[in-house]
Formats: sequence, structure tokens, C-alpha cells
Amino acid sequence: AQRVTQPEKLLSVFKGAPVELKCNYSYSGSPELFWYVQYSRQRLQLLLRHISRESIKGFTADLNKGETSFHLKKPFAQEEDSAMYYCALSGHTGRRALTFGSGTRLQVQP
Amino acid sequence: DTAVSQTPKYLVTQMGNDKSIKCEQNLGHDTMYWYKQDSKKFLKIMFSYNNKELIINETVPNRFSPKSPDKAHLNLHINSLELGDSAVYFCASSLSSGSYEQYFGPGTRLTVT
Repeated sequence: AQRVTQPEKLLSVFKGAPVELKCNYSYSGSPELFWYVQYSRQRLQLLLRHISRESIKGFTADLNKGETSFHLKKPFAQEEDSAMYYCALSGHTGRRALTFGSGTRLQVQP
Repeated sequence: DTAVSQTPKYLVTQMGNDKSIKCEQNLGHDTMYWYKQDSKKFLKIMFSYNNKELIINETVPNRFSPKSPDKAHLNLHINSLELGDSAVYFCASSLSSGSYEQYFGPGTRLTVT
């Protein structure tokens, strides 16, 4: 069974501080990992995926297969980063639906 | 030119009623999904259709019946609504090969009183 765990419900930091949102997964195979973000009153949107290894809005995430983790990081948080962040997994065995973690609310205070 | 649209955005109804939510995508995707987001913001897959064929049906009460008239549409009909059905329902779509990025609709907030 596939599972995604986000241990923090809420992460509160000050503007300019580094941010790390944790995500651990379990999957017997090679999953595809994503981070989705939901800003207030907006739809869920893709932030980044592990296969593209890119930085979006200053955020990066590295897949660590040994630790089965896909933590999201940003060196300097901005107030506009405040949102709900979801880590998600998609398997490669015909099941394309995403398995989401429970989400972490990031609050960036001025 | 909204990519994934849902109607209605808000739905308030009484227990026991039957209601439908509609979803349409204009991205040319062949796979569509329904997710449920509960009051704790937890998102869970309910159904998935690929080319009008049901491919994922999670443990959902059979009061919920999805219907896909064509690749661009996926509707959700709910019979005999219960208080516990109150949630935000998100539609999403993707391709079945290549990039699996899912595009989400704005959500339908269902409140059962």
C-alpha cells in the first residue's frame, strides 16, 4: 500500500527564515513524488515534481530513496508563501491517482 | 479558457436529497478524477476514469455514482445525502502517459444540513 506522511500540521516561520516541510512516503517500487500548493481561496496547483528537479518560486525538493523522503525547502520564506502544502505520490503500476499526505499549513509572519 | 471547471461552486442541501456535481476539462486529457477533501483538509481519491472507463473506485459508499459521458466530462451523483458527505469535492484531470501532472478544478463545497 502506498502512504504519504506529513508530520507537521502547521509550520510558522518569520519572513526571511529558512523553511523545510517534511514528507515521508512508503511505496514498494519507484514512485513519482509531487508537491502541490493551495493558496487561500484558490485551487490546488502543482508546485514541483521530483523528476524535473527544478526550483519553483525558490522551492526545491530532493527525493531521498534511502530515507524515503521528499522534503520541500526554501532558504528564505516570503509572506506570499503562506499556504497549504501537500506532498503526493503516484505509483507506476497503472494507478495514476495521487495519494496525498495530510498537508502542512505554512504561515510566514512579517 | 478555464482548464478544469466544476459546477456548482457551492451546494447547500438537506439530508436525504440527491445532488449532482459536474466537471469539465478542456486540456485534451484522457483521465479524470474525483477527490474528497474533508474538514481536516485531508484529500483522498474517490474515483478515476480513463477514456470513459472506470479504473479506480475506492471504498466509497454506493450512494456515490460517477458518470463520464465523454473524455472531457466527469460527473458525480450523490443519492440520499448524509451529514458526513459535507466536504469539498475536487475534480482533476491528467494524461495517462507521459507527464502525470494533475490539474485541479476549483472545488465544490457541499454542505449537508
